[in-house]
Amino acid sequence: GESVGLHLPTLSVQEGDNSIINCAYSNSASDYFIWYKQESGKGPQFIIDIRSNMDKRQGQRVTVLLNKTVKHLSLQIAATQPGDSAVYFCAERAGGFKTIFGAGTRLFVKA
Amino acid sequence: SQTIHQWPATLVQPVGSPLSLECTVEGTSNPNLYWYRQAAGRGLQLLFYSVGIGQISSEVPQNLSASRPQDRQFILSSKKLLLSDSGFYLCAWSRGSDTEAFFGQGTRLTVV
Repeated sequence: GESVGLHLPTLSVQEGDNSIINCAYSNSASDYFIWYKQESGKGPQFIIDIRSNMDKRQGQRVTVLLNKTVKHLSLQIAATQPGDSAVYFCAERAGGFKTIFGAGTRLFVKA
Repeated sequence: SQTIHQWPATLVQPVGSPLSLECTVEGTSNPNLYWYRQAAGRGLQLLFYSVGIGQISSEVPQNLSASRPQDRQFILSSKKLLLSDSGFYLCAWSRGSDTEAFFGQGTRLTVV
């Protein structure tokens, strides 16, 4: 079935460096992609989204890149801060209402 | 602004006991509503979603059921809990199929 996976289960970066979290998806029909941040014991928080008619979208300190050719999604965090430490999930939606989540990447920010 | 409330935050229940988790959304009308389960250190699995009152879609066969008695109320239930029902349950809402979902704070359920 469809799945959304991640290349790296954990990522450790130095404070101030840029972080890149990668995600692969398998459903070529997916047309909407979302990145969420989840802190321990809390529900996921929306970070940024992108639709399939775009290949890049920028937010505040975050950028999402979409490569539909290789079905790859990435989240870039600029000037990573300790408060960015969390688990990051990518998610895809292929029309309808079903959102499929990946397993998550844990980001550690070293001070 | 819209808010989502989910309770209780933690719950310890014996095997075979019933379950009722409640979720309500404020500040919007006719939201799409979702129940997810998250196993420790894992991603989110969609259990149920609802696009309107009384309309429930189940994604996976399981020991749980969902109901939507009111527009902004979503309830997750079980008649008899199993050990495997333990997990972190999350309620979420969205405006449509092409918009992001907003999550509640979750319920940590431990079945003993």
